[in-house]
Formats: sequence, C-alpha cells, structure tokens
Amino acid sequence: DAGVIQSPRHEVTEMGQEVTLRCKPISGHDYLFWYRQTMMRGLELLIYFNNNVPIDDSGMPEDRFSAKMPNASFSTLKIQPSEPRDSAVYFCASSPLGTDNQPQHFGDGTRLSIL
Amino acid sequence: GQQLNQSPQSMFIQEGEDVSMNCTSSSIFNTWLWYKQDPGEGPVLLIALYKAGELTSNGRLTAQFGITRKDSFLNISASIPSDVGIYFCAGDTGGGNKLTFGTGTQLKVEL
Repeated sequence: DAGVIQSPRHEVTEMGQEVTLRCKPISGHDYLFWYRQTMMRGLELLIYFNNNVPIDDSGMPEDRFSAKMPNASFSTLKIQPSEPRDSAVYFCASSPLGTDNQPQHFGDGTRLSIL
Repeated sequence: GQQLNQSPQSMFIQEGEDVSMNCTSSSIFNTWLWYKQDPGEGPVLLIALYKAGELTSNGRLTAQFGITRKDSFLNISASIPSDVGIYFCAGDTGGGNKLTFGTGTQLKVEL
C-alpha cells in the first residue's frame, strides 16, 4: 500500500525565495497534518485539515507560512519569503475518519535548508 | 502548554537486553501513541493505547497507558540491532486528532 508521499525529499534554497512542499495523503484518509521537526523544538504540529478544510492552524509560526488542500489527495505548505530559521524537516501525516484518535501515518519528510 | 517529557533522553544497551522508557505529562491524555523514527524517515507507529490501564503488546514491544492518564511506558524485550532509532511518545486529548509529541528517547544497541 502506498503511504504518505512527500516531495521534494530535500530542498536547498536561498533566503527570500518561495518554498513549496507537497504531500499526497493515504487514499481514503480524511485528516491531513503538517509538522515541523527541529533539534530544538522537536515535532510541532503546524496545521491540520479535515475533509480538505483547515481545522486548526494555531501552530503556523507566522504569516509567511500558508497551507492549502485543494482536494482530498493533495496538500501544499508554502513559505514566502523563506528565512534561515525555517530550516527543518517538514512532515506530512494523514489519518482516517472514524472514532477519535485514529493513529496518524507519516511521510518521510522534506528536509529544508534555507541559506 | 502541554509538555511530554521522555526519559531517558538516550540509552546505549547491549544486544539482547530489555529496554524500558517512559513518558510523563503535566496534563491528562485520552490516547497515548508510541512511534519510532529511523534516520531520514518519518515516525512509524508502533503501539496505540486508548484506555487508562491498558497494556498492549506488538511483538517484542509492550506499552502501558498509565492509570492517572498522565504517563505511559514502552518496553522492548531482547533488543536487536534494528531497534536502533528514536522513540517518541505522543498524546492526544481527544479534541480532534491533535497530537503532542514527547522529546524522544534515542536508543543505541551495542552488538
């Protein structure tokens, strides 16, 4: 079975540039989550969607970050303009609808380096 | 905000030994999850716990949901080299799949 697919796996860009990270959730999963992982702060939830609708974006660090989910099989996380402190591994995860607390399944992440 | 503290932060054990790690919270959680992360990959779910006091096994792994709902432990029996990695606990208050992750326990196995 195909898991959560993220692209690109690695991204290196200069500060000020726009960065777009992409995610394809597991087919049939209704929830999609974006996380950021750093050594200092660990895994932090940025935003999550239910049925393509953003439910909680309280973890989005600032207005430079935005996320969209135009359909059930695709989501993007955009940073514009990017800054060196945005360097981190960004994970996408998805989970099925059902009773509360269905476990989340993670992609392999995008390692982002802003120079 | 909520914090999940994991201990130990790292451990270096001999192959074949049993391993124990735990996770404590200042808040109550309705679900506890244990994930393992290998280098360059995303966290992979190991065990999910949904009820206070619940004890669940998955092969050599056993995890328990603390009675107070503020803690959980994970045991690995007879460790093998592929157990190397970082283990994360995660808690959910039940408010819509929003997970809080622990600080992680890095496991290193000596052959």
